[in-house]
Amino acid sequence: GAVVSQHPSRVICKSGTSVKIECRSLDFQATTMFWYRQFPKQSLMLMATSNEGSKATYEQGVEKDKFLINHASLTLSTLTVTSAHPEDSSFYICSARDLRDPMNTQYFGPGTRLTVL
Amino acid sequence: QKEVEQNSGPLSVPEGAIASLNCTYSDRGSQSFFWYRQYSGKSPELIMFIYSNGDKEDGRFTAQLNKASQYVSLLIRDSQPSDSATYLCAVNMGGGYSTLTFGKGTMLLVSP
Repeated sequence: GAVVSQHPSRVICKSGTSVKIECRSLDFQATTMFWYRQFPKQSLMLMATSNEGSKATYEQGVEKDKFLINHASLTLSTLTVTSAHPEDSSFYICSARDLRDPMNTQYFGPGTRLTVL
Repeated sequence: QKEVEQNSGPLSVPEGAIASLNCTYSDRGSQSFFWYRQYSGKSPELIMFIYSNGDKEDGRFTAQLNKASQYVSLLIRDSQPSDSATYLCAVNMGGGYSTLTFGKGTMLLVSP
């Protein structure tokens, strides 16, 4: 149980294009999903908290107009990196929390490696 | 500011030994505690969670929680080279807060 998928697993795009990453909870409903970014040999950095049916809450320093988050259903959240630039190249990881879990366990997706040329 | 502290390591242990990973947290009101393992280039995977003071065992892994001292630890018995990874400690405040505060992780190296 508690499986989270992400798609795509890897994407290479040209500078200036937009990239959409999907995060799905496969066997549970997730009112809350989280988006993280991780640069090589660095810690996980929380970018935003995504709540189903409402606007995402972004961490300080994360541009909400650049990283668009949509959480339209209890099993799907999407992150769109708009007008991507080489400095956006990173490992993007989502996690999801089962709405029935009072202890807020997060289950991570496998991640999406973004390379912007 | 909520903080979770871990020694970055690397912690080197020989195969078959016990690896002991430690974590301290600043928020005394924290309610749930998690250990994740992250292999290089992969996303974190949940190993264990603990909510109550004391020990919790799952196979070769034992999580220990001491709320009075504000530390949580993970023991790995009979360490294997495949256990070599970065171990992340994460803490949740509870009380309606759904986010986890992560430590920076401890790198564990198990030598054959």
